[in-house]
Amino acid sequence: AQSVTQPDIHITVSEGASLELRCNYSYGATPYLFWYVQSPGQGLQLLLKYFSGDTLVQGIKGFEAEFKRSQSSFNLRKPSVHWSDAAEYFCAVASDNYGQNFVFGPGTRLSVLP
Amino acid sequence: GAGVSQSPSNKVTEKGKDVELRCDPISGHTALYWYRQSLGQGLEFLIYFQGNSAPDKSGLPSDRFSAERTGGSVSTLTIQRTQQEDSAVYLCASTLAGGRETQYFGPGTRLLVL
Repeated sequence: AQSVTQPDIHITVSEGASLELRCNYSYGATPYLFWYVQSPGQGLQLLLKYFSGDTLVQGIKGFEAEFKRSQSSFNLRKPSVHWSDAAEYFCAVASDNYGQNFVFGPGTRLSVLP
Repeated sequence: GAGVSQSPSNKVTEKGKDVELRCDPISGHTALYWYRQSLGQGLEFLIYFQGNSAPDKSGLPSDRFSAERTGGSVSTLTIQRTQQEDSAVYLCASTLAGGRETQYFGPGTRLLVL
């Protein structure tokens, strides 16, 4: 079964600083990988996804992520963080299994200092 | 509708009472998921519906939890004899055809059991 780890529970950065959120996955086949963001009191919104092809994917709100098969990683990056980026970020891996085919990581909470 | 909707947005109930949470997926989406998110936690898979197939109930935490999906559209998650540990945000998501496709989330129902 697939699994996802997000090593950082909570990250604090200053506004304007760069950001990298780590995600590592375990899955035997080619993974489908996702990053979602959850603002306080809201549902989850898709930031970006990787299915195949170019390993650097661009998403909404200026985010990007890079798939590195050799490291089983799919880290999320943003060159300059805005105060509105403060939220919870979830990495997820999807498989072809029926049912519980989407596995989410535990999340990383991002705080942004003015 | 344009997105996944859930009702009620908030529910306060007394221990021992039954509650029903409703999810209205995106029109045409055949797959529907329920998740539970406890305070400060990641997403816990509860149940998955795909078309007319038998649902995957492997994530339901106890027999007090049940869900149905009528007409392949609206779903209702029922919690019987609620306990304080059931307090959480219950999220619903739908996808066009299940599998590895992007999940679209509703805003969630925040349940508080007193």
